[in-house]
Amino acid sequence: RKEVEQDPGPFNVPEGATVAFNCTYSNSASQSFFWYRQDCRKEPKLLMSVYSSGNEDGRFTAQLNRASQYISLLIRDSKLSDSATYLCVVNGGGSYIPTFGRGTSLIVHP
Amino acid sequence: EPEVTQTPSHQVTQMGQEVILRCVPISNHLYFYWYRQILGQKVEFLVSFYNNEISEKSEIFDDQFSVERPDGSNFTLKIRSTKLEDSAMYFCASNVAGGPSEQFFGPGTRLTVL
Repeated sequence: RKEVEQDPGPFNVPEGATVAFNCTYSNSASQSFFWYRQDCRKEPKLLMSVYSSGNEDGRFTAQLNRASQYISLLIRDSKLSDSATYLCVVNGGGSYIPTFGRGTSLIVHP
Repeated sequence: EPEVTQTPSHQVTQMGQEVILRCVPISNHLYFYWYRQILGQKVEFLVSFYNNEISEKSEIFDDQFSVERPDGSNFTLKIRSTKLEDSAMYFCASNVAGGPSEQFFGPGTRLTVL
């Protein structure tokens, strides 16, 4: 069974903090990895794709560790507007069906 | 900026009734998807659609469900004989290149089955 596991949180951090989320996946043949952001009762929106070499977009850094089968998301200098649920999405391994994690809730407080 | 739209935003129905959820994908996209998210749970893939036929479907997508692209713009999900457990948010999504590329989600239809 293909599973994507995330710590549901919530992670409760002050503004300006650095916070990191991990996501593990069970299908070693997985090929594509993403972080989506979902605000309460809204649709998921792509935050960033995750590449083998790691990638950075402003305050956000994503890493992939294929050997240990996990991906990570690092958020630096947290803003109040970063409060949301962060979804790990994994694709591939013989199917294009994306598998979503349950999401990690982040609450950034003043 | 082009976006995926869905109607209605909220649908309330009686158990056993049929519902049709509608989606208009982004115009130059070729791959279309339906997902559902039960309150408090993860997003679950239902079905993908390309070139006027289903390309993949999950175990959830049984004979109760069907999809259709009745014209050049709409993409519909029909749920026959709704059950209480069908209550969820249903998201439509689309993308240009299929599978592993970014998917653009619509705002969702909240289905409540009474």
